[in-house]
Amino acid sequence: RKEVEQDPGPFNVPEGATVAFNCTYSNSASQSFFWYRQDCRKEPKLLMSVYSSGNEDGRFTAQLNRASQYISLLIRDSKLSDSATYLCVVRNTGGFKTIFGAGTRLFVKA
Amino acid sequence: DAGVIQSPRHEVTEMGQEVTLRCKPISGHDYLFWYRQTMMRGLELLIYFNNNVPIDDSGMPEDRFSAKMPNASFSTLKIQPSEPRDSAVYFCASSLGVAVNQPQHFGDGTRLSIL
Repeated sequence: RKEVEQDPGPFNVPEGATVAFNCTYSNSASQSFFWYRQDCRKEPKLLMSVYSSGNEDGRFTAQLNRASQYISLLIRDSKLSDSATYLCVVRNTGGFKTIFGAGTRLFVKA
Repeated sequence: DAGVIQSPRHEVTEMGQEVTLRCKPISGHDYLFWYRQTMMRGLELLIYFNNNVPIDDSGMPEDRFSAKMPNASFSTLKIQPSEPRDSAVYFCASSLGVAVNQPQHFGDGTRLSIL
């Protein structure tokens, strides 16, 4: 079983739609969580950190469920520019070893 | 501010040749990471350094791969001899490791093709 698992998609949604991605992790001692965005043939870029109480940044909402060991990302009012691959990232205790999920591809259509 | 700088951006070479990838982290960052990304395996952590010291190299695929960080502003990832299966995008990232929730900042990557 992979340490971090994501639905690869693709998710095809119309502009204005709300879309949600989930990510599960296997190490219960995982300490930090992030969502990164990666455009085609580009480097991953931090989208947002994920805090225990949940956090929001504009149209993006991230949540963490430690009991069930998953994190989620909700995108409201999708834009064409949101089309990208979204990577779930988990950092474990005892160091800075960081595990990236394989990513979920999102296509937003006009 | 300058981000993480990697060179070269693209590298095409024949199998058996030595390949050296270079990285300059963001000034002041004390953690440096090397990743490899392929379609089949996604983004894999190869090795990371803290204050120029290798901390975890368990992701380095085999002895043909080596990484060094001679000072705080420079790191290399070397493959010798290179093989076609090493073809991938190699990313370098750095972070300021004051707190465990500090994110990593990635360079543009080196697209490596081994013929």
